[in-house]
Amino acid sequence: GEKVEQHESTLSVREGDSAVINCTYTDTASSYFPWYKQEAGKSLHFVIDIRSNVDRKQSQRLTVLLDKKAKRFSLHITATQPEDSAIYFCAASMVNSGGSNYKLTFGKGTLLTVTP
Amino acid sequence: DTTVKQNPRYKLARVGKPVNLICSQTMNHDTMYWYQKKPNQAPKLLLFYYDKILNREADTFEKFQSSRPNNSFCSLYIGSAGLEYSAMYLCASGYEQYFGPGTRLTVL
Repeated sequence: GEKVEQHESTLSVREGDSAVINCTYTDTASSYFPWYKQEAGKSLHFVIDIRSNVDRKQSQRLTVLLDKKAKRFSLHITATQPEDSAIYFCAASMVNSGGSNYKLTFGKGTLLTVTP
Repeated sequence: DTTVKQNPRYKLARVGKPVNLICSQTMNHDTMYWYQKKPNQAPKLLLFYYDKILNREADTFEKFQSSRPNNSFCSLYIGSAGLEYSAMYLCASGYEQYFGPGTRLTVL
């Protein structure tokens, strides 16, 4: 089955700097790559995703890059703020022939700390 | 409203006793998922529903049961809890997987 590896278990940046979290996956059939944020004491919250038909997607300060050849995707956060501090999980999934039924495989998470 | 609700939020169970966790969503999503989350580990998919069709992961097939009597409601049932079941149990619904707040299960 699919395996997702999240390379940084912890990441510390200064407020205003950029943060990059990297993930790799093993199954070439995976085509959907979401990211989730878990703040202290809270559940997972969807932040951004990318599908395999594009290699870049941006939403405000978040950008996701996808390199299908390397089976690698990354989350870039610019102008970090203390409220960006959280655990970030990457995930990968195949999409079935009907275009649905996402069955996600998660990475172990990266604890991002943004210091003022 | 993208709210997914889970009850209870905290559950204390004795070894060998059954546990029933509840999840509900009002978004009319076809899909609902149950994950197990332990500290410093990735969320692990236990099972999911597409409409009324239940799909259970092979490695947890015999450990967890579930029912979905209607589109809004889904349960996770453990017939005989063991210490290794202590974890956070996360319910999610929809293809984007909106997560509920989780149920923290402690087995003693």
